[in-house]
Amino acid sequence: QQPVQSPQAVILREGEDAVINCSSSKALYSVHWYRQKHGEAPVFLMILLKGGEQKGHEKISASFNEKKQQSSLYLTASQLSYSGTYFCGTEYETSYDKVIFGPGTSLSVIP
Amino acid sequence: SQTIHQWPATLVQPVGSPLSLECTVEGTSNPNLYWYRQAAGRGLQLLFYSVGIGQISSEVPQNLSASRPQDRQFILSSKKLLLSDSGFYLCAWVSGERYEQYFGPGTRLTVT
Repeated sequence: QQPVQSPQAVILREGEDAVINCSSSKALYSVHWYRQKHGEAPVFLMILLKGGEQKGHEKISASFNEKKQQSSLYLTASQLSYSGTYFCGTEYETSYDKVIFGPGTSLSVIP
Repeated sequence: SQTIHQWPATLVQPVGSPLSLECTVEGTSNPNLYWYRQAAGRGLQLLFYSVGIGQISSEVPQNLSASRPQDRQFILSSKKLLLSDSGFYLCAWVSGERYEQYFGPGTRLTVT
């Protein structure tokens, strides 16, 4: 029931791009994306609702492919502040109101 | 604006002792409320969620329980803590209008 995230970890140099994927075997109602810094609570980035929309937030954007039950988070021209663990959270059509999180993707941006 | 509070921020408790963690939300009404637990270096595990006063859904059978005595208050309890209850406990709320989920600052619990 937990969504699958890939990759598990990624190391980038400042200015490089990254893509983090989140996929589900069940029909999705929405996908949420969060970033968590070490020792802190997760911070909401964006939510994508069923309908295949794409959203943007500064240099971070995301897409939702309803057909594939998959979402991707795009980080462009990465900055040191992007470092952290990225989680996707999914709500399923059969049980919305309940967000289930993936295992997380650790992203490290180095100078 | 909406804010979410959790207390205490850190807690060290012996095995077998009781637990009570509190979460309150300000600036909104009738939010969906959630309790998550995060073990060290791991992901977020959904424990309980509530869509209204007195309405609690449990996701994981364990020695924890939750209650929602007021619209913007969510309490996590245990009668007897286990070593495996150690972790970072996070409360979250969702606005019914915007579907965005926001987390409180968390309580770091160590059971010794």
